Amino acid sequence: NAGVTQTPKFQVLKTGQSMTLQCAQDMNHEYMSWYRQDPGMGLRLIHYSVGAGITDQGEVPNGYNVSRSTTEDFPLRLLSAAPSQTSVYFCASSYSQYQETQYFGPGTRLLVL
Amino acid sequence: EDQVTQSPEALRLQEGESSSLNCSYTVSGLRGLFWYRQDPGKGPEFLFTLYSAGEEKEKERLKATLTKKESFLHITAPKPEDSATYLCAVQASASGGSYIPTFGRGTSLIVHP
Repeated sequence: NAGVTQTPKFQVLKTGQSMTLQCAQDMNHEYMSWYRQDPGMGLRLIHYSVGAGITDQGEVPNGYNVSRSTTEDFPLRLLSAAPSQTSVYFCASSYSQYQETQYFGPGTRLLVL
Repeated sequence: EDQVTQSPEALRLQEGESSSLNCSYTVSGLRGLFWYRQDPGKGPEFLFTLYSAGEEKEKERLKATLTKKESFLHITAPKPEDSATYLCAVQASASGGSYIPTFGRGTSLIVHP
């Protein structure tokens, strides 16, 4: 049982480049979400999904895109990277949208130059 | 707008020196308050969910309590391995069907041997 996995662990992008952050979970959780964590700020929700085929915006969705074609996977796409998107990104999953016992992945550190 | 304020920002303790971390919140109808532990370079790890004033939960040296305005994370006789950042988050009763949590900035705890 691997829990929540994320790839890559670290990525450097140039402004304007696009990329996809991968997230997978093997706990059969319906609810998955993406957060970003910046120094001096709390975790902020980017996008979330309550099940395959259903996604919605969180607090800070601009510049990001998501899709959920399977229960297991929830990739996050940066459409055109900007320096303001330099951050640590965490994927999380839980049994339901009520988020009791939410499990987080190890994170992806992204640097946009 | 939901708000979460954690204090202190940083706390240094000697091994065995008990203390408490505070999480003050304002939310329009609390559905749940969450505590997480985050080690450097890792994703948050779920600790507790509290739902109503007066509720208490314990895990090893940690005890979380909840009032209508704040939550405390009490650490009894801490050990160096308790050193981490402790995050608090609140989830409001559903508004439009979303359960977006609001996170505090965290309290960084260092326990010296």
